[in-house]
Amino acid sequence: DTGVSQNPRHKITKRGQNVTFRCDPISEHNRLYWYRQTLGQGPEFLTYFQNEAQLEKSRLLSDRFSAERPKGSFSTLEIQRTEQGDSAMYLCASSALESIHEQYFGPGTRLTVT
Amino acid sequence: AQSVTQLGSHVSVSEGALVLLRCNYSSSVPPYLFWYVQYPNQGLQLLLKYTTGATLVKGINGFEAEFKKSETSFHLTKPSAHMSDAAEYFCAVSDRAGRRALTFGSGTRLQVQP
Repeated sequence: DTGVSQNPRHKITKRGQNVTFRCDPISEHNRLYWYRQTLGQGPEFLTYFQNEAQLEKSRLLSDRFSAERPKGSFSTLEIQRTEQGDSAMYLCASSALESIHEQYFGPGTRLTVT
Repeated sequence: AQSVTQLGSHVSVSEGALVLLRCNYSSSVPPYLFWYVQYPNQGLQLLLKYTTGATLVKGINGFEAEFKKSETSFHLTKPSAHMSDAAEYFCAVSDRAGRRALTFGSGTRLQVQP
Protein backbone atom coordinates (compact mmCIF):
# COMPACT_ATOMS: atom_id res chain seq x y z
CA ASP A 1 0.00 0.00 0.00
CA THR A 2 1.68 3.17 -1.20
CA GLY A 3 -0.63 5.67 0.46
CA VAL A 4 -2.59 8.48 -1.11
CA SER A 5 -0.89 10.04 -4.12
CA GLN A 6 -1.62 13.33 -5.84
CA ASN A 7 -0.47 14.70 -9.16
CA PRO A 8 0.91 17.10 -10.03
CA ARG A 9 2.63 18.22 -6.84
CA HIS A 10 2.95 21.77 -8.12
CA LYS A 11 1.04 23.67 -10.77
CA ILE A 12 1.63 27.21 -11.94
CA THR A 13 -0.99 28.61 -14.26
CA LYS A 14 -2.12 31.93 -15.62
CA ARG A 15 -5.38 33.46 -14.55
CA GLY A 16 -8.22 32.28 -16.73
CA GLN A 17 -6.72 28.90 -17.55
CA ASN A 18 -8.27 25.57 -16.57
CA VAL A 19 -6.40 23.11 -14.37
CA THR A 20 -7.04 19.52 -13.34
CA PHE A 21 -5.62 17.64 -10.38
CA ARG A 22 -5.65 13.92 -9.77
CA CYS A 23 -5.88 11.96 -6.53
CA ASP A 24 -5.27 8.23 -6.19
CA PRO A 25 -6.56 7.03 -2.83
CA ILE A 26 -5.44 4.01 -0.89
CA SER A 27 -6.83 1.03 -2.76
CA GLU A 28 -10.25 -0.13 -1.56
CA HIS A 29 -10.86 3.04 0.43
CA ASN A 30 -14.49 3.88 -0.20
CA ARG A 31 -14.45 7.52 0.85
CA LEU A 32 -12.45 10.26 -0.79
CA TYR A 33 -12.30 13.86 0.40
CA TRP A 34 -10.96 17.06 -1.12
CA TYR A 35 -9.77 19.93 1.06
CA ARG A 36 -8.22 23.31 0.31
CA GLN A 37 -5.52 24.87 2.47
CA THR A 38 -4.45 28.48 2.14
CA LEU A 39 -1.30 29.90 3.67
CA GLY A 40 -1.44 30.03 7.45
CA GLN A 41 -4.78 28.27 7.69
CA GLY A 42 -6.03 24.79 8.35
CA PRO A 43 -7.52 22.75 5.53
CA GLU A 44 -11.15 23.43 4.61
CA PHE A 45 -13.55 20.80 3.34
CA LEU A 46 -14.54 21.04 -0.33
CA THR A 47 -16.35 17.84 -1.25
CA TYR A 48 -16.43 14.10 -0.70
CA PHE A 49 -17.29 10.87 -2.48
CA GLN A 50 -18.46 7.53 -1.29
CA ASN A 51 -17.43 5.17 -4.06
CA GLU A 52 -18.37 7.04 -7.26
CA ALA A 53 -21.14 9.13 -5.72
CA GLN A 54 -20.41 12.74 -4.80
CA LEU A 55 -22.40 13.12 -1.62
CA GLU A 56 -21.74 16.71 -0.58
CA LYS A 57 -20.18 19.90 -1.84
CA SER A 58 -19.11 22.78 0.37
CA ARG A 59 -20.23 26.32 -0.31
CA LEU A 60 -16.53 26.98 -0.98
CA LEU A 61 -16.87 24.95 -4.17
CA SER A 62 -18.03 27.52 -6.69
CA ASP A 63 -19.47 26.64 -10.07
CA ARG A 64 -15.98 26.85 -11.54
CA PHE A 65 -14.98 23.77 -9.55
CA SER A 66 -15.96 20.25 -10.48
CA ALA A 67 -14.89 16.93 -9.06
CA GLU A 68 -15.39 13.41 -10.31
CA ARG A 69 -14.65 9.89 -9.21
CA PRO A 70 -15.89 7.94 -12.22
CA LYS A 71 -15.13 4.37 -11.21
CA GLY A 72 -14.91 4.80 -7.49
CA SER A 73 -11.13 4.74 -7.59
CA PHE A 74 -9.13 7.85 -8.50
CA SER A 75 -10.66 11.30 -8.43
CA THR A 76 -10.08 14.51 -10.38
CA LEU A 77 -10.67 18.08 -9.33
CA GLU A 78 -10.98 20.62 -12.13
CA ILE A 79 -10.93 24.38 -11.76
CA GLN A 80 -12.14 26.37 -14.73
CA ARG A 81 -11.18 29.98 -15.43
CA THR A 82 -8.75 30.10 -12.54
CA GLU A 83 -8.52 33.21 -10.38
CA GLN A 84 -5.69 34.39 -8.15
CA GLY A 85 -7.82 33.54 -5.14
CA ASP A 86 -7.69 29.89 -6.16
CA SER A 87 -3.99 29.76 -5.25
CA ALA A 88 -3.76 27.21 -2.44
CA MET A 89 -2.73 23.69 -1.53
CA TYR A 90 -5.36 21.15 -2.60
CA LEU A 91 -5.35 18.09 -0.38
CA CYS A 92 -6.95 14.74 -0.96
CA ALA A 93 -7.73 12.21 1.76
CA SER A 94 -9.27 8.76 1.79
CA SER A 95 -10.78 6.47 4.39
CA ALA A 96 -12.16 2.97 4.60
CA LEU A 97 -15.78 2.36 5.55
CA GLU A 98 -14.79 0.20 8.53
CA SER A 99 -12.63 3.01 9.96
CA ILE A 100 -14.41 5.91 8.41
CA HIS A 101 -13.22 8.44 10.96
CA GLU A 102 -9.56 7.90 10.09
CA GLN A 103 -8.52 9.84 7.01
CA TYR A 104 -5.18 9.43 5.26
CA PHE A 105 -3.90 12.48 3.42
CA GLY A 106 -1.90 12.81 0.25
CA PRO A 107 1.00 15.25 -0.14
CA GLY A 108 -1.20 17.82 -1.85
CA THR A 109 -1.07 19.81 -5.07
CA ARG A 110 0.13 23.37 -4.68
CA LEU A 111 -1.58 25.67 -7.19
CA THR A 112 -0.20 29.10 -7.99
CA VAL A 113 -2.29 31.35 -10.23
CA THR A 114 -0.34 34.26 -11.70
CA ALA B 1 -21.89 23.93 13.18
CA GLN B 2 -18.60 22.72 14.52
CA SER B 3 -15.58 24.90 15.07
CA VAL B 4 -12.06 24.48 16.44
CA THR B 5 -9.92 27.08 18.16
CA GLN B 6 -6.21 26.66 18.59
CA LEU B 7 -4.74 29.15 21.04
CA GLY B 8 -1.38 30.42 19.89
CA SER B 9 -0.42 30.37 16.25
CA HIS B 10 3.25 30.01 17.24
CA VAL B 11 4.74 28.16 20.19
CA SER B 12 8.45 28.04 20.92
CA VAL B 13 10.03 25.62 23.40
CA SER B 14 13.53 24.52 24.23
CA GLU B 15 14.68 21.04 23.36
CA GLY B 16 13.77 18.75 26.27
CA ALA B 17 11.00 21.03 27.54
CA LEU B 18 7.32 20.22 27.83
CA VAL B 19 5.21 20.79 24.74
CA LEU B 20 1.61 21.97 25.27
CA LEU B 21 -0.56 22.88 22.30
CA ARG B 22 -4.10 24.00 23.10
CA CYS B 23 -7.29 23.07 21.30
CA ASN B 24 -10.88 23.88 22.14
CA TYR B 25 -13.87 22.84 20.09
CA SER B 26 -17.46 23.83 19.73
CA SER B 27 -19.99 21.17 18.85
CA SER B 28 -23.59 20.35 19.75
CA VAL B 29 -22.57 16.77 20.55
CA PRO B 30 -19.13 15.43 21.47
CA PRO B 31 -17.36 14.86 18.17
CA TYR B 32 -14.45 12.72 17.18
CA LEU B 33 -11.21 14.60 17.89
CA PHE B 34 -7.88 14.48 16.09
CA TRP B 35 -4.42 15.97 16.04
CA TYR B 36 -2.51 16.08 12.76
CA VAL B 37 1.06 17.16 12.09
CA GLN B 38 2.26 18.77 8.87
CA TYR B 39 5.90 19.09 7.88
CA PRO B 40 6.88 21.63 5.22
CA ASN B 41 5.56 20.81 1.75
CA GLN B 42 3.96 17.61 2.95
CA GLY B 43 0.46 16.38 3.61
CA LEU B 44 -1.00 15.81 7.04
CA GLN B 45 -0.08 12.87 9.23
CA LEU B 46 -2.40 11.63 11.96
CA LEU B 47 -0.79 11.93 15.40
CA LEU B 48 -3.65 10.62 17.51
CA LYS B 49 -7.42 10.47 17.74
CA TYR B 50 -10.20 10.23 20.29
CA THR B 51 -13.38 8.42 19.32
CA THR B 52 -14.63 6.70 22.45
CA GLY B 53 -13.42 5.12 25.68
CA ALA B 54 -10.36 6.34 27.59
CA THR B 55 -10.10 10.10 27.48
CA LEU B 56 -6.30 10.13 27.57
CA VAL B 57 -5.06 8.96 24.20
CA LYS B 58 -1.51 8.25 23.17
CA GLY B 59 -0.19 8.79 19.71
CA ILE B 60 2.96 8.53 17.71
CA ASN B 61 6.27 10.18 18.54
CA GLY B 62 5.49 10.38 22.28
CA PHE B 63 2.53 12.73 21.96
CA GLU B 64 -0.66 12.37 23.95
CA ALA B 65 -3.89 14.32 24.37
CA GLU B 66 -6.72 14.35 26.87
CA PHE B 67 -10.37 14.84 26.01
CA LYS B 68 -12.09 16.97 28.62
CA LYS B 69 -15.78 17.20 27.87
CA SER B 70 -16.51 19.75 30.59
CA GLU B 71 -13.90 22.10 29.15
CA THR B 72 -14.54 21.15 25.49
CA SER B 73 -10.79 20.79 25.14
CA PHE B 74 -8.35 18.36 23.56
CA HIS B 75 -4.89 19.70 24.36
CA LEU B 76 -1.79 18.02 22.93
CA THR B 77 1.25 17.38 25.11
CA LYS B 78 4.68 15.83 24.94
CA PRO B 79 6.92 15.63 28.01
CA SER B 80 10.18 16.36 26.24
CA ALA B 81 10.49 18.21 22.94
CA HIS B 82 12.85 17.04 20.24
CA MET B 83 14.22 19.09 17.37
CA SER B 84 12.35 16.83 14.94
CA ASP B 85 9.02 17.90 16.49
CA ALA B 86 9.26 21.29 14.79
CA ALA B 87 6.25 21.39 12.47
CA GLU B 88 2.70 22.71 12.12
CA TYR B 89 0.09 21.01 14.28
CA PHE B 90 -3.61 20.97 13.53
CA CYS B 91 -6.48 20.03 15.81
CA ALA B 92 -9.58 18.75 14.03
CA VAL B 93 -13.06 17.45 14.77
CA SER B 94 -15.53 15.40 12.79
CA ASP B 95 -19.12 14.34 13.13
CA ARG B 96 -19.83 10.91 14.54
CA ALA B 97 -22.11 10.21 11.59
CA GLY B 98 -22.79 11.45 8.10
CA ARG B 99 -20.06 12.93 6.00
CA ARG B 100 -17.41 12.88 8.73
CA ALA B 101 -15.42 15.57 7.00
CA LEU B 102 -12.82 17.15 9.21
CA THR B 103 -13.11 20.69 10.54
CA PHE B 104 -9.64 22.01 11.31
CA GLY B 105 -8.28 24.70 13.54
CA SER B 106 -5.96 27.29 12.07
CA GLY B 107 -2.87 25.47 13.29
CA THR B 108 0.00 26.03 15.70
CA ARG B 109 3.56 26.24 14.47
CA LEU B 110 5.92 24.61 16.96
CA GLN B 111 9.51 25.78 17.07
CA VAL B 112 12.07 23.85 19.08
CA GLN B 113 15.15 25.76 20.16
CA PRO B 114 18.42 23.93 20.77
